[in-house]
Amino acid sequence: DGGITQSPKYLFRKEGQNVTLSCEQNLNHDAMYWYRQDPGQGLRLIYYSQIVNDFQKGDIAEGYSVSREKKESFPLTVTSAQKNPTAFYLCASSSETSRTETQYFGPGTRLLVL
Amino acid sequence: AQSVTQPDIHITVSEGASLELRCNYSYGATPYLFWYVQSPGQGLQLLLKYFSGDTLVQGIKGFEAEFKRSQSSFNLRKPSVHWSDAAEYFCAVGRYSSASKIIFGSGTRLSIRP
Repeated sequence: DGGITQSPKYLFRKEGQNVTLSCEQNLNHDAMYWYRQDPGQGLRLIYYSQIVNDFQKGDIAEGYSVSREKKESFPLTVTSAQKNPTAFYLCASSSETSRTETQYFGPGTRLLVL
Repeated sequence: AQSVTQPDIHITVSEGASLELRCNYSYGATPYLFWYVQSPGQGLQLLLKYFSGDTLVQGIKGFEAEFKRSQSSFNLRKPSVHWSDAAEYFCAVGRYSSASKIIFGSGTRLSIRP
C-alpha cells in the first residue's frame, strides 16, 4: 500500500538535545512538507521541499532543520534552538507544490519535552 | 493577506442529525478550498476540494460543501452524522506564496451525542 510513514509515534527530548523525526513516502511524490500542530491551532508550515536536494523555509522554520537526500525521505531535526518544541508534527507529500494539489498526510509524531 | 476562519471551536450533534461546519476565507482571487478531517492522534485526510465549476462539491464519507463567493464561505455539510464522524475538521485555502502553499483554519472539533 502506498502511503506516508512517520516514526517514532512519540518522542521525548531533553533540554539542549537535538532530535530527528523520520518521514518516508512511497507515493513517488516530488513535494514533501513538515507541519507543526498545536492545540486549538491549525497546521503551520515548517519546511517544504519541491525536489531532491532542495528545500525552503515555511512560516515557522526557526529552530528546525531538514534534509532531502532521497526523494522518498524528508527528516526533520528539532534543534536545541527551538525553545518550545512540544507539539504534534505532521509530514505530508503531494505530487507537486501547487496550491491545487492534494496533500497526503502521515500519522504524525508527538514530541514531548522531559 | 489570505486567511481562513472556522468560527466554531467545538460542536456537538446527535447521531443521525444533520451537520454544518462553517468556514470563511479571505482571498483576493478565485480561491482553492479544501476540507480535511483528522481523527484523534492521526494525520489529516482530504474530504473534498473546490477549484472551479459547480459550487456544490461532493466528497467522501457522505460529506458535501458549498462554495458561496458572495459570503466568502465554504461550509461543510452532512445530512445524517454517524458516531464515526467524531473528529477534528479543518478548512484550508490554497494560496500563492513563496513560503506556503496551503493555509489551514484552526479546526472545529465535532462530538457526536449517542
